[in-house]
Amino acid sequence: AQRVTQPEKLLSVFKGAPVELKCNYSYSGSPELFWYVQYSRQRLQLLLRHISRESIKGFTADLNKGETSFHLKKPFAQEEDSAMYYCALTMDTGRRALTFGSGTRLQVQP
Amino acid sequence: DTGVSQDPRHKITKRGQNVTFRCDPISEHNRLYWYRQTLGQGPEFLTYFQNEAQLEKSRLLSDRFSAERPKGSFSTLEIQRTEQGDSAMYLCASSRGLREQYFGPGTRLTVT
Repeated sequence: AQRVTQPEKLLSVFKGAPVELKCNYSYSGSPELFWYVQYSRQRLQLLLRHISRESIKGFTADLNKGETSFHLKKPFAQEEDSAMYYCALTMDTGRRALTFGSGTRLQVQP
Repeated sequence: DTGVSQDPRHKITKRGQNVTFRCDPISEHNRLYWYRQTLGQGPEFLTYFQNEAQLEKSRLLSDRFSAERPKGSFSTLEIQRTEQGDSAMYLCASSRGLREQYFGPGTRLTVT
């Protein structure tokens, strides 16, 4: 069965510091990986997906199949980045149901 | 289009009562998903529909849970004989085919 692990429940950094939110997964096939973000009092929304290879709001994530990781990175954190971040995967089938990690709360202090 | 909507936003019920939640997806989205999120956890998949067909149900979806999407538009999730362990945020998401899932605001259920 597929599984997503986010080892940190809370990550606190100062504004301008680099950020790395860790995500590891287990799945025997070829998954599609996502990062979702939930800002305070807002709904869950897609931040980025590995197949698009985009940089959204300065965030990037690279899929490392050897280490089965999909860490989220940003070189300079901003206060508005404070939110709950969830890593998720979906299987390489038509099913598309998402398997989420337990989330990491990012706090960016001024 | 204001996105996926869910009703009610909050529901408090007594143990043993039945509750029903509604989800209105983004128009023209043929896929609709239900997830459940408990405190400190990420959302967990419950079930999904493609048009009006329910294609998969998670093991989390006990016999007390039933979901419908009668005309391939809105969906309802009913929980019969609620238990305290059913207290959670129930999230709905919709997508056009295999594309991005858009989430609703959720319905927070509290079973007393």
